[in-house]
Amino acid sequence: DIQMTQSPSSLSASVGDRVTITCRASQSIASYLNWYQQKPGRAPKLLIYATSSLQSGVPSRFSGSESGTDFSLTINTLQPEDFAIYYCQQTYSPPYTFGQGTKLEIK
Amino acid sequence: QVQLQESGPGLVKPSETLSLTCTVSGDSVRSGSFFWSWIRQPAGKGLEWIGRIYSSGSSDYNPSLKSRVTMSVDTPRNQFSLKLASVTAADTATYYCARGTSFFGEDFWGQGTLVIVSA
Repeated sequence: DIQMTQSPSSLSASVGDRVTITCRASQSIASYLNWYQQKPGRAPKLLIYATSSLQSGVPSRFSGSESGTDFSLTINTLQPEDFAIYYCQQTYSPPYTFGQGTKLEIK
Repeated sequence: QVQLQESGPGLVKPSETLSLTCTVSGDSVRSGSFFWSWIRQPAGKGLEWIGRIYSSGSSDYNPSLKSRVTMSVDTPRNQFSLKLASVTAADTATYYCARGTSFFGEDFWGQGTLVIVSA
């Protein structure tokens, strides 16, 4: 299985901040990396697919990038509704593994 | 708008088989463009991908669950299903169904259904 190592596991930030969450794959996954946002009691919501493509309806303050097997999700100008848990997922090779999650909390 | 809805018993006894169904609206499970997947999440923990199935019946399961998992597609009812045999307390989780592709990720999810394994 491809292991996805996500960091940090938690992050405190303020409204208006810029934050970055990273995800490292244990092997090459090409650009088959997705990011999801999950709020309490809700299903995960797809934010970014294929490393850097914004899902329809997702605000442009969310962006994704890669450097080799390292992938990043950046949120510019944090909004109150952005405080949630974020997961990366590789869909290069089944099983489609997720990172452990990053809890983004209000400072 | 694509919608998915999980259904099935919320309580299953240890050693029995967990059975869930996902009903799809706004799309057809017959579509060859997508796969139909199951993901689970124990309370307060991360996401675990269980597996996926195509309308052809072709499937991939997580090796950690492969010996106990069966997925199927019911095209006339526009549903797909999950069976997980010989459950234990460790299988207690919220189970989600989703639609996906390898390139576009899992773009539509059901709201999730909590399954508790307990005598």
